[in-house]
Amino acid sequence: DTGVSQDPRHKITKRGQNVTFRCDPISEHNRLYWYRQTLGQGPEFLTYFQNEAQLEKSRLLSDRFSAERPKGSFSTLEIQRTEQGDSAMYLCASTLDGLGGFSYTFGSGTRLTVV
Amino acid sequence: AQTVTQSQPEMSVQEAETVTLSCTYDTSESDYYLFWYKQPPSRQMILVIRQEAYKQQNATENRFSVNFQKAAKSFSLKISDSQLGDAAMYFCAYSGYNNDMRFGAGTRLTVKP
Repeated sequence: DTGVSQDPRHKITKRGQNVTFRCDPISEHNRLYWYRQTLGQGPEFLTYFQNEAQLEKSRLLSDRFSAERPKGSFSTLEIQRTEQGDSAMYLCASTLDGLGGFSYTFGSGTRLTVV
Repeated sequence: AQTVTQSQPEMSVQEAETVTLSCTYDTSESDYYLFWYKQPPSRQMILVIRQEAYKQQNATENRFSVNFQKAAKSFSLKISDSQLGDAAMYFCAYSGYNNDMRFGAGTRLTVKP
């Protein structure tokens, strides 16, 4: 297992276009998280999955954002009608479900630039 | 909601010296976990150290140690014998019962040779 993989590493898109990112977590991890990180800031929680169920979504996640995790394996994050404010690093992390305290394993992120 | 505050946007330290990064948090939970993560430039976030709130003993990992003050809701990171490779963004993070992690805004650490 090579850790958490994210694809693509970089994405440049024109405003108004749709983009989709993929995250492949560590295989035995049943929780998967999406975060957004802007320059010089800490990661902001977007949403998370336990297996295939999406259990929580941040209010930051507008209706232009949708995430899926079919079959509880990889996950996709789609942004429709991108805006310049969507430019950020999108981080995926996975962990084992538990009563808290499990550290996350992060991917390298997908850097989105909306022009 | 839990919040994590890092009041030092930037810190610098001379190589081989010691530096302390500050973090405070707010929570109503009694059981929780605290973390420090390191994010080198253009590289992925990696775990530095982890502290369980129910443990009074401060966590230590080689040159990294924490000063956990539960009553004050303070969780600082001390880096001893700083090395050039320690230069990075450092994020303090909180994880409660449901294992949802919340991060501070980060502290950028510069190590001077």
